[in-house]
Amino acid sequence: QKEVEQDPGPLSVPEGAIVSLNCTYSNSAFQYFMWYRQYSRKGPELLMYTYSSGNKEDGRFTAQVDKSSKYISLFIRDSQPSDSATYLCATGLGTSYGKLTFGQGTILTVHP
Amino acid sequence: EAQVTQNPRYLITVTGKKLTVTCSQNMNHEYMSWYRQDPGLGLRQIYYSMNVEVTDKGDVPEGYKVSRKEKRNFPLILESPSPNQTSLYFCASSPVDRNSPLHFGNGTRLTVT
Repeated sequence: QKEVEQDPGPLSVPEGAIVSLNCTYSNSAFQYFMWYRQYSRKGPELLMYTYSSGNKEDGRFTAQVDKSSKYISLFIRDSQPSDSATYLCATGLGTSYGKLTFGQGTILTVHP
Repeated sequence: EAQVTQNPRYLITVTGKKLTVTCSQNMNHEYMSWYRQDPGLGLRQIYYSMNVEVTDKGDVPEGYKVSRKEKRNFPLILESPSPNQTSLYFCASSPVDRNSPLHFGNGTRLTVT
């Protein structure tokens, strides 16, 4: 069993839709959680970062962590065609990056 | 411009021919790491380094070597490449601080025939 599981999609939504991307993890020792966005032919870039249960909001993006059920989510409101990308969740241990574990990535397409 | 630079972007080679993929960052970051990305498997960590002369294995280190002789450089070495190492490789760096984001390079697509 992979330590971090993510539905690979692909997910196709109309512009303006609310998108929900999800991951589950198995190691209760994971302390911090990230979402990365990866455009085609590019390296991933950090979207959101949190190390506690609850919600963290940044513009149209909300990251949600539920440590009791080992579940992390990313919500995108008012989705735009420019949001079309692969979204990767990632988790880590400890107080520095060290060893990061990524999900498989979800391919999202937002069509006009 | 702050960046992580990988070279080459594309590489086609044959089984057994030693190769090196270079990675350089200009942000004075302590932490550097190599990942491979494969369809359905996501990003898997190969090796990482917390500072000069300090390296450690990630999830899939077999068949790879790394070195960290200088802070800015973290080359990935395949002594005897095999077809199962055909993949998209990413180098990343950050300060040693969980509040800082990982900066990724733009990837090296390696094909081993």
